[in-house]
Amino acid sequence: QKEVEQDPGPLSVPEGAIVSLNCTYSNSAFQYFMWYRQYSRKGPELLMYTYSSGNKEDGRFTAQVDKSSKYISLFIRDSQPSDSATYLCAMSMVQGAQKLVFGQGTRLTINP
Amino acid sequence: EAQVTQNPRYLITVTGKKLTVTCSQNMNHEYMSWYRQDPGLGLRQIYYSMNVEVTDKGDVPEGYKVSRKEKRNFPLILESPSPNQTSLYFCASSYRWGSPLHFGNGTRLTVT
Repeated sequence: QKEVEQDPGPLSVPEGAIVSLNCTYSNSAFQYFMWYRQYSRKGPELLMYTYSSGNKEDGRFTAQVDKSSKYISLFIRDSQPSDSATYLCAMSMVQGAQKLVFGQGTRLTINP
Repeated sequence: EAQVTQNPRYLITVTGKKLTVTCSQNMNHEYMSWYRQDPGLGLRQIYYSMNVEVTDKGDVPEGYKVSRKEKRNFPLILESPSPNQTSLYFCASSYRWGSPLHFGNGTRLTVT
């Protein structure tokens, strides 16, 4: 079983839709949770960064962490064609291995 | 502009011919890391460095070497490349471990 599971998609939705992207994980020691966006032929760029449980909102993006269920989500409101990309969840521990553990990434297409 | 620069962007080589992929960051970051990205496997850490002259293995270090002689540079060395090292490679850096990672734009390596 992978430490972090993410549905690779692809996911295709119409412009303006609300998009929900999710990851589950098995290691209860994870404390930092991130979402990265990766456009084709580019490196991942950080979208959201949260510590421990709760919600964080930034413009059209909302990140949710439910540590009791080992489940994180990214919501995109009023989705735009420019949101078409691969979205990667990532997480790390406060202490221990100095690495980010990534999900496979979900490929998202927003259709005009 | 703050950035992580990798070179080359594309590289085709033959089995056994030593190669180096360079990585440089201009943000005075302490932490640097190399990842490889493969379909279905996501991003996996190869090596990381907490600071100058401090490096350690990630999840998939076999067949790779790194060095950190200067803070800004973190080259990835393949002494004897093999076809299973055909992949997309990313260098990343952060202010310190636990801070958000900044990624380069990747190096696509093909070993025939």
